[in-house]
Amino acid sequence: AQSVAQPEDQVNVAEGNPLTVKCTYSVSGNPYLFWYVQYPNRGLQFLLKYITGDNLVKGSYGFEAEFNKSQTSFHLKKPSALVSDSALYFCAVRGQDGGYNKLIFGAGTRLAVHP
Amino acid sequence: DTGVSQDPRHKITKRGQNVTFRCDPISEHNRLYWYRQTLGQGPEFLTYFQNEAQLEKSRLLSDRFSAERPKGSFSTLEIQRTEQGDSAMYLCASSTYSGTETQYFGPGTRLLVL
Repeated sequence: AQSVAQPEDQVNVAEGNPLTVKCTYSVSGNPYLFWYVQYPNRGLQFLLKYITGDNLVKGSYGFEAEFNKSQTSFHLKKPSALVSDSALYFCAVRGQDGGYNKLIFGAGTRLAVHP
Repeated sequence: DTGVSQDPRHKITKRGQNVTFRCDPISEHNRLYWYRQTLGQGPEFLTYFQNEAQLEKSRLLSDRFSAERPKGSFSTLEIQRTEQGDSAMYLCASSTYSGTETQYFGPGTRLLVL
């Protein structure tokens, strides 16, 4: 069965410092991976996705993610954090084995960026 | 902005009542999805439509839940005889039909069952 793990419930970082939000996945074939962000009282906003090709994917708001097949990871990164980046971040993988049309989400990581 | 919209944004109901939520997808998207998100968890897939056809349903979707998309545009999700365990955020998403489509989410409907 497919699954996504986000090992950190919360990540704290100072404004201006680089940030990393971790994600590992388990799928039987080639993964389609996604990152979404959720602000309070708002739905999920798409940040970026990996389908194939370059392992470094660039997305919205200066975020990027690195796909690492050997470590089955897809960590979200940003070179310089902003206070406004504080939110809940979700990693997701597209389902397989007949469930191609659903996303399977991790439990989320709360990012807190301190001034 | 012509993103995904959901109505109502908040709903408080008493146990045993029926509730209905509406989702309007992005206009050119022919795929529509429903997810449920409980506190401290990521969204969980409930069901999915391609045009007006409901093609996949999760085991989470008990007999008390029904979803429709009658004309392949907006969708409704109805919960009959609500239970306190139904309290959650109900999210709708839409996408185009392709092999790698991105799902775009609405703001959600937060349901509280007393």
